[in-house]
Amino acid sequence: KAGVTQTPRYLIKTRGQQVTLSCSPISGHRSVSWYQQTPGQGLQFLFEYFSETQRNKGNFPGRFSGRQFSNSRSEMNVSTLELGDSALYLCASRSEAGAYNEQFFGPGTRLTVL
Amino acid sequence: QQPVQSPQAVILREGEDAVINCSSSKALYSVHWYRQKHGEAPVFLMILLKGGEQKGHDKISASFNEKKQQSSLYLTASQLSYSGTYFCGTERGSARQLTFGSGTQLTVLP
Repeated sequence: KAGVTQTPRYLIKTRGQQVTLSCSPISGHRSVSWYQQTPGQGLQFLFEYFSETQRNKGNFPGRFSGRQFSNSRSEMNVSTLELGDSALYLCASRSEAGAYNEQFFGPGTRLTVL
Repeated sequence: QQPVQSPQAVILREGEDAVINCSSSKALYSVHWYRQKHGEAPVFLMILLKGGEQKGHDKISASFNEKKQQSSLYLTASQLSYSGTYFCGTERGSARQLTFGSGTQLTVLP
């Protein structure tokens, strides 16, 4: 099976702009989670989608939003970018079938805000 | 609440053993372990469930002490490829939300 894919891999934006990141989960996985990773804050949970519904949400401002489509692909949007939004954004998927529900990460999108 | 990992960093020689700990103040449903190499995504290693079941990497072992809400990852006869940052992620109940520790940087020297 192909792994989790994320596009684009690298992105450079300026303050005030908005950005949309895309994630395609492993085939058959219906849960998609998004994380922000920075050297200072580590891996921070943004939100999780399951069957097109946001099921969990972390402590991020409303500028961070997401959605999931019927094919389980997910997008994350950040509006009015700030310098502090520079980070590696990771998407992860899990199957929800069976007891284990391992979560697998994509390669990430490296966002730089200038 | 973020789990606490220890140690923050460890350096060892090839062939030596290491233990990384992850503890939580809250009751856990599961603990997940990942390894991340510089510039790469975290790679799944192990999952341990409340009740004793576990699944993962065949060369790495782990334990989950439900009374103490603590998990330990055991790296035996370490190889150069084991270098990286190890994260534990904890899950409470059926929330399906992983909260990650701050990571343990492991360096294996030849």
